Amino acid sequence: SAVISQKPSRDICQRGTSLTIQCQVDSQVTMMFWYRQQPGQSLTLIATANQGSEATYESGFVIDKFPISRPNLTFSTLTVSNMSPEDSSIYLCSVRANRAPYEQYFGPGTRLTVT
Amino acid sequence: AQKITQTQPGMFVQEKEAVTLDCTYDTSDPSYGLFWYKQPSSGEMIFLIYQGSYDQQNATEGRYSLNFQKARKSANLVISASQLGDSAMYFCAMREGVNYGQNFVFGPGTRLSVLP
Repeated sequence: SAVISQKPSRDICQRGTSLTIQCQVDSQVTMMFWYRQQPGQSLTLIATANQGSEATYESGFVIDKFPISRPNLTFSTLTVSNMSPEDSSIYLCSVRANRAPYEQYFGPGTRLTVT
Repeated sequence: AQKITQTQPGMFVQEKEAVTLDCTYDTSDPSYGLFWYKQPSSGEMIFLIYQGSYDQQNATEGRYSLNFQKARKSANLVISASQLGDSAMYFCAMREGVNYGQNFVFGPGTRLSVLP
């Protein structure tokens, strides 16, 4: 299994500002994923980030709002830009195991509150 | 249409008893995998158990087992001998495609509360 860390673990931010969330994995992985979990809801995939290429965003998510970097095989960042209270969520970084059954491992999440 | 349905928003179980959390899924792909995750109040997602569409036997992992009924498209999680630490949200997820090339789809979750 992979060990994933995220920074920050939580933050309270003002409306209109931006926050960058870091995700560090203890092993090299090809695919990294960013999810959003709004209060009381399930997980929604924001984007898939592969090293050396542009992130692939899911419907309803755009690069201007959620820019992602993937500079190497162990690290990624997600920025939540121009935040509004509706962005208050848990943001989770995830990686796929390198062999079957290709389960996904998740970081501890970043709890974001926008006031 | 929802790909993953979990019809129980909340469940209660007495400590040391068994509990079944329901999950039904919808896919036309013959190749898929089903996964269960636990999310305690701290927020991390913990992988519990996996069942492949071609697996002949139901998966088991310690106190967790998966009641896989392929014709009914259900993959219910059974937790035996519940413990207080089992209180959490439980998510069923599916990945479709050969080598599970598609992305995970998560169900809405079931909140399990274990009573002392």
